Amino acid sequence: EDKVVQSPLSLVVHEGDTVTLNCSYEVTNFRSLLWYKQEKKAPTFLFMLTSSGIEKKSGRLSSILDKKELFSILNITATQTGDSAVYLCAVEAETSGSRLTFGEGTQLTVNP
Amino acid sequence: NAGVMQNPRHLVRRRGQEARLRCSPMKGHSHVYWYRQLPEEGLKFMVYLQKENIIDESGMPKERFSAEFPKEGPSILRIQQVVRGDSAAYFCASSPPRFAGDPHEQFFGPGTRLTVL
Repeated sequence: EDKVVQSPLSLVVHEGDTVTLNCSYEVTNFRSLLWYKQEKKAPTFLFMLTSSGIEKKSGRLSSILDKKELFSILNITATQTGDSAVYLCAVEAETSGSRLTFGEGTQLTVNP
Repeated sequence: NAGVMQNPRHLVRRRGQEARLRCSPMKGHSHVYWYRQLPEEGLKFMVYLQKENIIDESGMPKERFSAEFPKEGPSILRIQQVVRGDSAAYFCASSPPRFAGDPHEQFFGPGTRLTVL
């Protein structure tokens, strides 16, 4: 059974701090890893990673995948209160059709 | 280009009633996925559909739950004889047509929050 574990489960920081969120996974025949941001409603797509070592970047957010060690990290630099949300990691496996297996998420709170 | 649309956003039902949740995928998307998020839990896959076909329903409870994606109109997730344990947020996601083996991001709708009294 595919498994995704995120850490930490919750994190409280001050504005301006840099945070690193972790996602480790166990899947058979990995296809992709996705990061989403969820603020009380629809998960919003952030990144999709398929290859090891290639950093994806969007503004203050960046993510990288290590397929050998089976993990990914999501970095947020110069955090703002608007970054407060649950960050979800999900994996897609070739043997699981197209369904995503999600971790429990990391609840990030950025205080002013 | 409108995103994934779901309605209703909030639905209250009494035990034993039926709940119908609707999802219209993004324009150009032909793949629909339903996920359930129980309170304090992560998103769990339920079913994957293409037009007129159920591709994978391995996450769907065997009884009372059904899903369809007709040729015309939205995808429907139907829950018969609801119980309190069905109270959750139900999210729909869609993705564009894909070749076998190609990864594709899924885009999520705002969800329907079902409360069973």
